[in-house]
Amino acid sequence: DVKVTQSSRYLVKRTGEKVFLECVQDMDHENMFWYRQDPGLGLRLIYFSYDVKMKEKGDIPEGYSVSREKKERFSLILESASTNQTSMYLCASSLGGATGELFFGEGSRLTVL
Amino acid sequence: GENVEQHPSTLSVQEGDSAVIKCTYSDSASNYFPWYKQELGKGPQLIIDIRSNVGEKKDQRIAVTLNKTAKHFSLHITETQPEDSAVYFCAASTHLGQFYFGTGTSLTVIP
Repeated sequence: DVKVTQSSRYLVKRTGEKVFLECVQDMDHENMFWYRQDPGLGLRLIYFSYDVKMKEKGDIPEGYSVSREKKERFSLILESASTNQTSMYLCASSLGGATGELFFGEGSRLTVL
Repeated sequence: GENVEQHPSTLSVQEGDSAVIKCTYSDSASNYFPWYKQELGKGPQLIIDIRSNVGEKKDQRIAVTLNKTAKHFSLHITETQPEDSAVYFCAASTHLGQFYFGTGTSLTVIP
């Protein structure tokens, strides 16, 4: 069965802390994505990656960075967390190609105090 | 870039009635239109999709229609059941493989 696993379901951090959100997929997918989900705004793309060690900015990359050292793992990093980064973060993966199905993890709810 | 608009934001229907959710997109290069269902506490899951060379697709109680000329596509759920209650997202994707999502519709099916 296809699986995208996000390491933390709930996190509470303080302003200024460095935050790591980890995502692992077991489907040998080339593409991986990080989205942010906020009420009334839908899913907005933060960063994506089509291959190991490569990354592309999405629509809202400010304040975030990513790392993809291995094909199965895609990490989202908040260098200095701020309260406006309180949100639900969703990781997804897809097979290579333009119209592959996106498989999502269950999400990481981050609260920044 | 692509802009996807989704309506309505909330929808309540009686069990057994039909539900329709509509989306529009702006980029004529978009060629793949999936619909995702998100249940409480879970990630979105694909329920049906349509490609730009097809006008309609049906899977049991769920159907999707696409009008490329008008740049809109719709999700139709017939004979709704309480387990259909969830948040539904439409999306559009171009050949570059990026997905642009609508803002979501919270569907409530009243028993």
